[in-house]
Amino acid sequence: AQSVSQHNHHVILSEAASLELGCNYSYGGTVNLFWYVQYPGQHLQLLLKYFSGDPLVKGIKGFEAEFIKSKFSFNLRKPSVQWSDTAEYFCAVNVNGNNRLAFGKGNQVVVIP
Amino acid sequence: GAGVSQSPRYKVAKRGQDVALRCDPISGHVSLFWYQQALGQGPEFLTYFQNEAQLDKSGLPSDRFFAERPEGSVSTLKIQRTQQEDSAVYLCASSLGGYNQPQHFGDGTRLSIL
Repeated sequence: AQSVSQHNHHVILSEAASLELGCNYSYGGTVNLFWYVQYPGQHLQLLLKYFSGDPLVKGIKGFEAEFIKSKFSFNLRKPSVQWSDTAEYFCAVNVNGNNRLAFGKGNQVVVIP
Repeated sequence: GAGVSQSPRYKVAKRGQDVALRCDPISGHVSLFWYQQALGQGPEFLTYFQNEAQLDKSGLPSDRFFAERPEGSVSTLKIQRTQQEDSAVYLCASSLGGYNQPQHFGDGTRLSIL
């Protein structure tokens, strides 16, 4: 079945540690890729997006993601996390010009001061 | 500026009751989406409007779910004869239109069916 996979649902790490969250999708065709973040008590916010061009995308707050077409992946990275990065992170895909987003299950990230 | 506004934030209903959830999109956004988010899951697509036209309702789980956007602005998601499995957070999102425009989400309505 077509899907978006995010592993390691719960991630706990210390401040200044590096973070990498995996996202794999199983859709064929042209894809647009997104990472959304939901801070505690807040709504989903766009972190970064990939439509075309440079497969390494820079987002807000020092996050970046790399699109690897051959691996159907769009992993999110941050070299040094802060306590304020505690949040839930969702990978999302839309396919072949379709407006609807398909989301992964999310990664709950807790950063310990 | 004002974001996507949803009301109520919380709704508790008894099984069998009808509920109506409201979404006020960002002004000028032609596209509007409804998603359902169960506990511990990512949002699941329900339906999509472009202006007042409902272009995709393939994600609505049953004919008890109905959405409308009669004037191309505010939208209402109605659930008839609610059941316990309808308990979830219902998210509304809007965008300028086009598949490459980011969707902006509201805070959601947390629906609990007793």
